Amino acid sequence: ELKVEQNPLFLSMQEGKNYTIYCNYSTTSDRLYWYRQDPGKSLESLFVLLSNGAVKQEGRLMASLDTKARLSTLHITAAVHDLSATYFCAVGAGSYQLTFGKGTKLSVIP
Amino acid sequence: EAEVAQSPRYKITEKSQAVAFWCDPISGHATLYWYRQILGQGPELLVQFQDESVVDDSQLPKDRFSAERLKGVDSTLKIQPAELGDSAMYLCASSPVGNNEQFFGPGTRLTVL
Repeated sequence: ELKVEQNPLFLSMQEGKNYTIYCNYSTTSDRLYWYRQDPGKSLESLFVLLSNGAVKQEGRLMASLDTKARLSTLHITAAVHDLSATYFCAVGAGSYQLTFGKGTKLSVIP
Repeated sequence: EAEVAQSPRYKITEKSQAVAFWCDPISGHATLYWYRQILGQGPELLVQFQDESVVDDSQLPKDRFSAERLKGVDSTLKIQPAELGDSAMYLCASSPVGNNEQFFGPGTRLTVL
């Protein structure tokens, strides 16, 4: 059974600081997705990582995938308040299913 | 821009009542998923359709939940009878054939009193 672990689950950081969210998974997969969810809202796709060594960047967020280590990271550079949300990683499994982590709730404090 | 549509957005019901949620996927997306997301947790798959066929419903509590996608387009998820523990966000997602990337609808927030 595929397990996906994110850490930390809660992250409070000051504006302007850098931080990294980690996503570990238990079985082989080369498909990993990052989503953002604002309170009471649905999931918004951020990044699609489909190969070992893939790196994607959008604004202050950068995601990477190491399939050998079964690890993905979401790096936040110079955080701003607008980035406050919950971030989920999801790992691709058979039959085009996704298994989600529990999410990392990020609060950026001015 | 094409989006997944869901209705209603919010539903409050009393336990033992029946509720139904509707989802219209992005046009052309053959695969449709229903998820349940309990507050503070990640989405958990309830059922997956490929066209009108169920691919996986192993996590669907079949004594009270049912799902259908009769014409392979829109889908309905039903709960009868609702229980207090069913309070959650119900999310619908769709994806094109041969693709893991899933696009989510706005969700239905269910509260069971």
